[in-house]
Amino acid sequence: GESVGLHLPTLSVQEGDNSIINCAYSNSASDYFIWYKQESGKGPQFIIDIRSNMDKRQGQRVTVLLNKTVKHLSLQIAATQPGDSAVYFCAESRYTPLVFGKGTRLSVIA
Amino acid sequence: NAGVMQNPRHLVRRRGQEARLRCSPMKGHSHVYWYRQLPEEGLKFMVYLQKENIIDESGMPKERFSAEFPKEGPSILRIQQVVRGDSAAYFCASSPPGQGEEKLFFGSGTQLSVL
Repeated sequence: GESVGLHLPTLSVQEGDNSIINCAYSNSASDYFIWYKQESGKGPQFIIDIRSNMDKRQGQRVTVLLNKTVKHLSLQIAATQPGDSAVYFCAESRYTPLVFGKGTRLSVIA
Repeated sequence: NAGVMQNPRHLVRRRGQEARLRCSPMKGHSHVYWYRQLPEEGLKFMVYLQKENIIDESGMPKERFSAEFPKEGPSILRIQQVVRGDSAAYFCASSPPGQGEEKLFFGSGTQLSVL
């Protein structure tokens, strides 16, 4: 079946460096993609989203890149801070509901 | 503007008991979704509801699980005769009607522990 997966389950980054979290999706019909951040014991928190008619979208310290040719999504976090430590999920949708990947744990080293 | 509210935060049940999880969507949101999360895993879709209607229940187990979103009051996820395998975090999300309804806003979840 169609699924959303991630290349790396864990990522350790030095404070101040940039982080890149990758995601592969398999449903070529998906037209909406979203990144969530989940801290321990909390619900997922929206970070940024992108539609399939775009290749890049920027937010505050975050950028999402979409490569439809290879069905790849990435989240870039600039100047990573300790507060960025969390599990990051990508999710895809072609109409609701969102389908989530397994997540990448980001650890920020002070 | 309060976010998605879920209660209880933690729920402990013995095998065979019933679990009721409640979710109040954000103000103005008419779509509710329930997801389940096992430790170190992603969120698995269970059911999507609008007021008084189940739109998509393709992720719901065929037995013991039910969900409702009445005209008045919160959405309820009900698990009858719980088993240990039901232990998980259950998250509710809501979205506004119309364009952008794919963007979900999540509550803090209910951690269900079955003894």
